[in-house]
Amino acid sequence: ETGVTQSPTHLIKTRGQQVTLRCSSQSGHNTVSWYQQALGQGPQFIFQYYREEENGRGNFPPRFSGLQFPNYSSELNVNALELDDSALYLCASSLRGIYTFGSGTRLTVV
Amino acid sequence: EDQVTQSPEALRLQEGESSSLNCSYTVSGLRGLFWYRQDPGKGPEFLFTLYSAGEEKEKERLKATLTKKESFLHITAPKPEDSATYLCAVQAYYNYGQNFVFGPGTRLSVLP
Repeated sequence: ETGVTQSPTHLIKTRGQQVTLRCSSQSGHNTVSWYQQALGQGPQFIFQYYREEENGRGNFPPRFSGLQFPNYSSELNVNALELDDSALYLCASSLRGIYTFGSGTRLTVV
Repeated sequence: EDQVTQSPEALRLQEGESSSLNCSYTVSGLRGLFWYRQDPGKGPEFLFTLYSAGEEKEKERLKATLTKKESFLHITAPKPEDSATYLCAVQAYYNYGQNFVFGPGTRLSVLP
């Protein structure tokens, strides 16, 4: 059983709205990464947080933002949703170089 | 720019029919190459990490190998439960904080 929990599992939003996705990591995993996976494609790196600070970012616009909390939970916020934001959003936490992924949140933008 | 390609895009095997999946990569300073398995609607599940050319790792019916330009995932006598998408990802030293670059995956179907 994965130690990374994501919520909600599914979500439908309207174009232009804002969404917050949540991830709960295993205790001690102080690095968390977020990925976007479009249907039929590999995951694409959005950003990474280490000890509550962003320390890496992929090619995503500023309307994608995040937070990491001291209790090893984190959030991905997306503003001004676009249809192309429809995807599976994955978070991954790491300990000693091994990355464990959650089951993801399926976001549909209509 | 770091790139990862995988072939074939999809593969159908009969149960017991061994085969190999390919992952070709271009990266400036490979820190590690990772193989993941992903079931439909689920997150990727870690299989292997390879760090240097010539390295091999095995787990049950799976064996991963690494050269300077590509990695292979060999599947010996597969079973229907091996059906999944297999993802390859690279991590580079210079962009360690940028995390993984994934390939598009190979969808494997093993028929009974």
